[in-house]
Amino acid sequence: GQQVMQIPQYQHVQEGEDFTTYCNSSTTLSNIQWYKQRPGGHPVFLIQLVKSGEVKKQKRLTFQFGEAKKNSSLHITATQTTDVGTYFCAVQDSNYQLIWGAGTKLIIKP
Amino acid sequence: GAVVSQHPSWVICKSGTSVKIECRSLDFQATTMFWYRQFPKQSLMLMATSNEGSKATYEQGVEKDKFLINHASLTLSTLTVTSAHPEDSSFYICSAHSSSSYEQYFGPGTRLTVT
Repeated sequence: GQQVMQIPQYQHVQEGEDFTTYCNSSTTLSNIQWYKQRPGGHPVFLIQLVKSGEVKKQKRLTFQFGEAKKNSSLHITATQTTDVGTYFCAVQDSNYQLIWGAGTKLIIKP
Repeated sequence: GAVVSQHPSWVICKSGTSVKIECRSLDFQATTMFWYRQFPKQSLMLMATSNEGSKATYEQGVEKDKFLINHASLTLSTLTVTSAHPEDSSFYICSAHSSSSYEQYFGPGTRLTVT
């Protein structure tokens, strides 16, 4: 079945620095979704990408879907303390089940 | 956006007892609900998929007799952890899906501690 690999596992940044997380698959993906989970909280849907080469922006967040639809990235510009949490990519299959990446934890250095 | 509630938000129980967790979609009808568990610092692990009025489909390795799922209506699904043991301690999260959207809406989760 489909699998998504997500890296890195953790990323430590100074407040104001940028953050990027990547998801990759060996197979072509029909879609990719991104979620944010705050510490102690539940995943919150951020966005879904479906088109080859698609780029979407939400304020300081930029989401990309690769041309071959095998990879995706989430980039946060000028991180703030409110960005802290774990970011997951996930692929939704035909039964609406989500296949999750391992997540990337964003940690702001004190 | 759509709201999914989960109750209780946390529960402590003794080993050998059963615990029921409720998942409700408050402002939409959920044709499908999903149950996940999440261990610290790990991703979500899908336990089962439940469709209203039919038996749940369990993922490989999940004991259906231990984790009883009931999806009696389009707004309510329950997960009962039977004869709980300390290794069942985890964060249980439900999500609900409506046929009118691709989005899944997550409940706030239930933290179960078995002593």
